[in-house]
Amino acid sequence: DVKVTQSSRYLVKRTGEKVFLECVQDMDHENMFWYRQDPGLGLRLIYFSYDVKMKEKGDIPEGYSVSREKKERFSLILESASTNQTSMYLCASSGTGLRSYEQYFGPGTRLTVT
Amino acid sequence: AQSVAQPEDQVNVAEGNPLTVKCTYSVSGNPYLFWYVQYPNRGLQFLLKYITGDNLVKGSYGFEAEFNKSQTSFHLKKPSALVSDSALYFCAVRASGYSTLTFGKGTMLLVSP
Repeated sequence: DVKVTQSSRYLVKRTGEKVFLECVQDMDHENMFWYRQDPGLGLRLIYFSYDVKMKEKGDIPEGYSVSREKKERFSLILESASTNQTSMYLCASSGTGLRSYEQYFGPGTRLTVT
Repeated sequence: AQSVAQPEDQVNVAEGNPLTVKCTYSVSGNPYLFWYVQYPNRGLQFLLKYITGDNLVKGSYGFEAEFNKSQTSFHLKKPSALVSDSALYFCAVRASGYSTLTFGKGTMLLVSP
């Protein structure tokens, strides 16, 4: 079974703090994704990566950055957390070619910024 | 640009009755279409996909979906709902040649006993 794990289920941070969200997958997938999920807005893509050290902006990259130093690990960084970044953050991974059709999701990190 | 519309925020159905969760899409070229389900406090789970071929696709847990090109729709269906089907359902689309998905806003399905 594919497993995508996220470092924390719940996280509470203060405004202005630097926040790291970690995601690890064990299926040797090339593609990794970070989404945020908000009620009434569905899932919105923040960043994705199709290879080590490669990254592409998604639909809402402002206020976020990412790092992918190893194939299995994809980190989302909030340089200076703000209250409007309070949300559920979901990481996903997928392969390439025929293995690209299905994205596998982690359990999510619910981040609260106070 | 690609987009997905799920016109219903919530669908209520009695256990044993058929259910439909609606989805329409907009994409350039041939669409790849997906349904995911999210149970409370869990990540998204893949249900089914349409890539090519038969317009009726079958997926996990007895769900199926029908691709209708002329109506640009991909409605999720199940002949007989279970209380355990209660969850948040997301439709997603991807254009061929791309690896990113665009998700709808989600539809909450509530199945009453």
